[in-house]
Amino acid sequence: EIVLTQSPGTLSLSPGERATLSCRASQSVSSSYLAWYQQKPGQAPRLLIYGASSRATGIPDRISGSGSGTDFTLTISRLEPEDFAVYYCQQYASSLPITFGQGTRLEIK
Amino acid sequence: QVQLVESGGGVVQPGRSLRLSCAASGFTFSTYGMHWVRQAPGKGLEWVAVISFDGNNKYYADSVKGRVTISRDNSRNTLDLHMSSLRAEDTAVYYCARNTESYHYYFDYWGQGTLVTVSS
Repeated sequence: EIVLTQSPGTLSLSPGERATLSCRASQSVSSSYLAWYQQKPGQAPRLLIYGASSRATGIPDRISGSGSGTDFTLTISRLEPEDFAVYYCQQYASSLPITFGQGTRLEIK
Repeated sequence: QVQLVESGGGVVQPGRSLRLSCAASGFTFSTYGMHWVRQAPGKGLEWVAVISFDGNNKYYADSVKGRVTISRDNSRNTLDLHMSSLRAEDTAVYYCARNTESYHYYFDYWGQGTLVTVSS
């Protein structure tokens, strides 16, 4: 089972700033089969990124993903008020089980 | 538009059973794999189970294996999760989620979830 570790646990930033969220895997994630989700309080997660760097439908281009192997990054170039939420990474490279990182909370400073 | 609506949650005593349902609409249900994912209060996401588009293949997380059965009815566009021998640690919001069109296991649409509370 691939274990995903996200850092930092909490990130405090102001609107307009750049956010960089990290997801590290316990072993290489083949073919960059990594996804990112955003979850706001009381809501279901929303798919942002798949294949490490492909944006899902309707996701603005200020949100981007990068990385390969064991190190992946979600970047939000200019934070908007609606971006403050919890973010999860998820790998789908290995055989089941599907695993998620523990999440990074992005909060307003 | 794609809609997934879960139901069946509630308060249940330890050791009892519960059946969750997910009603799907806005897409051709019979062509997509479907999942259940849960989230304990204040915690992260945990994948629970997946069923293939035709219902022939089912896989479970170790934490629920032997206590949970995932099923689907493509004629009624519904996904079910039958849970038995419930434990306090099964307390969570349970989401149904659609697998993407690709055969890779990630989720492009989620329902709003149904809360299961296991407590005496």
